[in-house]
Amino acid sequence: ETGVTQTPRHLVMGMTNKKSLKCEQHLGHNAMYWYKQSAKKPLELMFVYNFKEQTENNSVPSRFSPECPNSSHLFLHLHTLQPEDSALYLCASSQEGQKLFFGSGTQLSVL
Amino acid sequence: EDKVVQSPLSLVVHEGDTVTLNCSYEVTNFRSLLWYKQEKKAPTFLFMLTSSGIEKKSGRLSSILDKKELSSILNITATQTGDSAIYLCAVDRRRDDKIIFGKGTRLHILP
Repeated sequence: ETGVTQTPRHLVMGMTNKKSLKCEQHLGHNAMYWYKQSAKKPLELMFVYNFKEQTENNSVPSRFSPECPNSSHLFLHLHTLQPEDSALYLCASSQEGQKLFFGSGTQLSVL
Repeated sequence: EDKVVQSPLSLVVHEGDTVTLNCSYEVTNFRSLLWYKQEKKAPTFLFMLTSSGIEKKSGRLSSILDKKELSSILNITATQTGDSAIYLCAVDRRRDDKIIFGKGTRLHILP
């Protein structure tokens, strides 16, 4: 248990659905991240929140919408996704941007 | 463009063998290099290296950074089937706290 909890573990959704991924960290860290992991590709940084303020948006399509209501919770709202968005979505937290602590991820399949 | 390159991409060895995994980087404003182990979903932290030539050790795993060669190696001695995993190398960039990952090395240990 890394102290970072993600739900759901698995998600199957149609291209017209709206769903949300949730992440919660119990480590008192000040930064939270969303990463996308696709087969045979490096982990791709999507969003960074530092002290609840978004500091990085890596040219992510607008069909992905993050929300960080406080320093312990992070959401990723999904709508009108494409099949190529199927991947493992990992949440992570850190203190001062160095060692990342990852959640177990949400395996997303878009039909 | 900053990048992290790992080699080999995959490796199959027998239990008891020693393996060396490689990571090279081209990253401006380098701060630290990190190694993670990913068995199923959540990558777990192994080492953080900031100084050249100083070996970090944890049981049968060890790692060292060479800032002159812009590279690092991860050694695993007397491998066990439980070492089967994807090993991720990442570099922390000082100027924006961004962590850049390599594609990983998929290690499989045969009994």
